[in-house]
Amino acid sequence: DQQVKQNSPSLSVQEGRISILNCDYTNSMFDYFLWYKKYPAEGPTFLISISSIKDKNEDGRFTVFLNKSAKHLSLHIVPSQPGDSAVYFCAASSFTGNQFYFGTGTSLTVIP
Amino acid sequence: EAGVAQSPRYKIIEKRQSVAFWCNPISGHATLYWYQQILGQGPKLLIQFQNNGVVDDSQLPKDRFSAERLKGVDSTLKIQPAKLEDSAVYLCASSLKIERDSYNEQFFGPGTRLTVL
Repeated sequence: DQQVKQNSPSLSVQEGRISILNCDYTNSMFDYFLWYKKYPAEGPTFLISISSIKDKNEDGRFTVFLNKSAKHLSLHIVPSQPGDSAVYFCAASSFTGNQFYFGTGTSLTVIP
Repeated sequence: EAGVAQSPRYKIIEKRQSVAFWCNPISGHATLYWYQQILGQGPKLLIQFQNNGVVDDSQLPKDRFSAERLKGVDSTLKIQPAKLEDSAVYLCASSLKIERDSYNEQFFGPGTRLTVL
């Protein structure tokens, strides 16, 4: 039962343009969401998070948007850079839960 | 600050053999996680420790998988006997501590890629 879904396995974007990565979840108890970035042969590294009391969180070139009614979040990267090429995972957790549920990942390629 | 260390990085075994993975978390991190990541999927939590106690092992296939964190620091994950479907990357992560009504960022190690032939 996949509670967190990333329906786009891959995305290609031109350098300098915006990258938009999407994530959907099914569990209405989830109230904390994170994005992780993963390079080949490395573990995932934390990128940005958002709690359900907000609908937007920004950190430099990275912005996460949360639409609770649609159970949808997205990660915007502006402007995209070749170094952003990686696999991006979204993850979700509940206030009362201990574990994070991960999506299947989206492989982003930024073309120079 | 040193990150989460894992060894070995790669392991190839035949089915029905046993294998063990080791993880050393970031110093001072009380919570340790083992994840299984099958190709094309996201990481799935196998077991979570706080200090040397198990917090959640509901998704650990206990007939063949075992894990321990005896001194509340480093941890080992064992598979015995291995099956073909155990081929995956095994990720270890650590975080400061589970606090009620708070979240703690997890820091991941590089993972161990297991191939079962």
